[in-house]
Amino acid sequence: AQSVTQPDIHITVSEGASLELRCNYSYGATPYLFWYVQSPGQGLQLLLKYFSGDTLVQGIKGFEAEFKRSQSSFNLRKPSVHWSDAAEYFCAVGDTSGTYKYIFGTGTRLKVLA
Amino acid sequence: NAGVTQTPKFRVLKTGQSMTLLCAQDMNHEYMYWYRQDPGMGLRLIHYSVGEGTTAKGEVPDGYNVSRLKKQNFLLGLESAAPSQTSVYFCASTGLAGGPSSYEQYFGPGTRLTVT
Repeated sequence: AQSVTQPDIHITVSEGASLELRCNYSYGATPYLFWYVQSPGQGLQLLLKYFSGDTLVQGIKGFEAEFKRSQSSFNLRKPSVHWSDAAEYFCAVGDTSGTYKYIFGTGTRLKVLA
Repeated sequence: NAGVTQTPKFRVLKTGQSMTLLCAQDMNHEYMYWYRQDPGMGLRLIHYSVGEGTTAKGEVPDGYNVSRLKKQNFLLGLESAAPSQTSVYFCASTGLAGGPSSYEQYFGPGTRLTVT
């Protein structure tokens, strides 16, 4: 069965420090991969996506993610975190077999220290 | 272009009451989804629709019904609300494959439902 694992429930970093949020997936083929961000009381906003091609993808707000097929991972990174990045981050897998269904991880809540 | 809108934003129900949540999108998207979000559980798919007049069950469909009579609207109904349905409900839509935003889900702002 398809699944998405975000092993870190909470992460705290200092402003200006680098960030890496982990995401592992279980899927029979290469899925479509997404990272979303959710600020408190808001809906989800797409940060970046991977369908195929270059395994390092750039997103909005200075985020990037790298698809590693051998590790079934799609980790999110940012070189220098800003206080406004404090939010919850969700990794998601999109089914490529034609069902148009998505599976979300349980999320990682990021806290940024001034 | 409003994107995806949800009505209402907040609602409090008593156990056994019924209600309908409305989702509307103005992007001419084919696919629409209803999720619930609970602390520590991420988003779980309730029902989804791959086109006008079609619906399908997701991961947690029990206690909910849906209808997609018009392409732009996707309704989620609770016939007899239970405290376990207290949650934040999100609607999302996705365009057809091959388009510039294919497979990207656009989310509404959410509906916070409390069942007492």
